Amino acid sequence: GENVEQHPSTLSVQEGDSAVIKCTYSDSASNYFPWYKQELGKRPQLIIDIRSNVGEKKDQRIAVTLNKTAKHFSLHITETQPEDSAVYFCAASQANSGYALNFGKGTSLLVTP
Amino acid sequence: GAVVSQHPSWVICKSGTSVKIECRSLDFQATTMFWYRQFPKQSLMLMATSNEGSKATYEQGVEKDKFLINHASLTLSTLTVTSAHPEDSSFYICSASHILGGYTFGSGTRLTVV
Repeated sequence: GENVEQHPSTLSVQEGDSAVIKCTYSDSASNYFPWYKQELGKRPQLIIDIRSNVGEKKDQRIAVTLNKTAKHFSLHITETQPEDSAVYFCAASQANSGYALNFGKGTSLLVTP
Repeated sequence: GAVVSQHPSWVICKSGTSVKIECRSLDFQATTMFWYRQFPKQSLMLMATSNEGSKATYEQGVEKDKFLINHASLTLSTLTVTSAHPEDSSFYICSASHILGGYTFGSGTRLTVV
């Protein structure tokens, strides 16, 4: 099955700096790579996703890059703000094939003012 | 669109009793529902996959007789934790895949067994 590795487990940055979280996956059949932000006790919130036919996607301060050959994808947050502090999860799946999302272990991001 | 309603949001039960958690897709047909469990400061771990009208597929290490999943209709899937014990205390969350190719999560259920 799919195995998703995520690094780092914790990340502390100063407000205004950039944050980068990296994930690798094992199953070359995976074609959907979402990133979720989760606040304590709440459901994961989709912040950005990318499919395997695209190498990069950007939405304001958030971007995701995908390298299919190396089987890794990264989340980039620029101009971080204190409200970006949360736990972030990457995931991978074969979307539209009845497969579940497989999650990385999460990164606890702390943005200090 | 693509909303999944999950109830209850939290529940406290006595050890040995059973608890049922419901997930309803409100505006789409959820042919496949995934059930996850999340312990504090850990990731979401897939427990089982259920397809409407068929038996659920459980992940290795998840007891199918303890975690009963029913997906009798295209809009309702339930997870029943039977004979709950304190170690079953966790955050349980469902997720439905939909035709647009994404996944929609329920709001989660915090189960505490005392």
